[in-house]
Amino acid sequence: NAGVMQNPRHLVRRRGQEARLRCSPVKGHSHVYWYRQLPEEGLKFMVYLQKENIIDESGMPKERFSAEFPKEGPSILRIQQVVRGDSAAYFCASSPAPTSGNTIYFGEGSWLTVV
Amino acid sequence: GENVEQHPSTLSVQEGDSAVIKCTYSDSASNYFPWYKQELGKRPQLIIDIRSNVGEKKDQRIAVTLNKTAKHFSLHITETQPEDSAVYFCAASNESGGSNYKLTFGKGTLLTVNP
Repeated sequence: NAGVMQNPRHLVRRRGQEARLRCSPVKGHSHVYWYRQLPEEGLKFMVYLQKENIIDESGMPKERFSAEFPKEGPSILRIQQVVRGDSAAYFCASSPAPTSGNTIYFGEGSWLTVV
Repeated sequence: GENVEQHPSTLSVQEGDSAVIKCTYSDSASNYFPWYKQELGKRPQLIIDIRSNVGEKKDQRIAVTLNKTAKHFSLHITETQPEDSAVYFCAASNESGGSNYKLTFGKGTLLTVNP
């Protein structure tokens, strides 16, 4: 669904820097999901957020990664002290509610390259 | 947790031929199976999905079949065209309790349709 907006589309960071990826859901959607796609791999679930709440972060690495979805503004995926292994495409998706029949559509993605 | 295996990893066909991609899943509780098409540098786009209450679903040149007993599902593309060339991903999730957001993806199949 073209309504999920992500930025930046491409981001280059040096090892040790911080990366911030933003996701604006489809208007009216209050549920946001982040997935990561490593090179030549399928997508892997990271985190599910509702406004001001983390619902499921079972796919988030234990360290350096955090996510938020504030009352106002986009959802942010933050990666501190990036390493080369963080280089990946990060996709955001949104839905009105994660119930049966609400299919997941992804945004255009943010490609992070760590040099 | 769920594990999805996808085969083949690469598939090359002549224009007009059919292409079949197969996936197996491990969690018998999974009941939602979408297929995504991803072109290079683009987001995965949902092309078709199936739920476990049906065995087959068709949309023009694309069809998906599901065998719950054997825990496998397949994507069939007939009359392939060069624009069908892309990476195709299968995925599985359990929609019970409204958790269809947590998709487990296969590793993808690179389909090349030769003119």
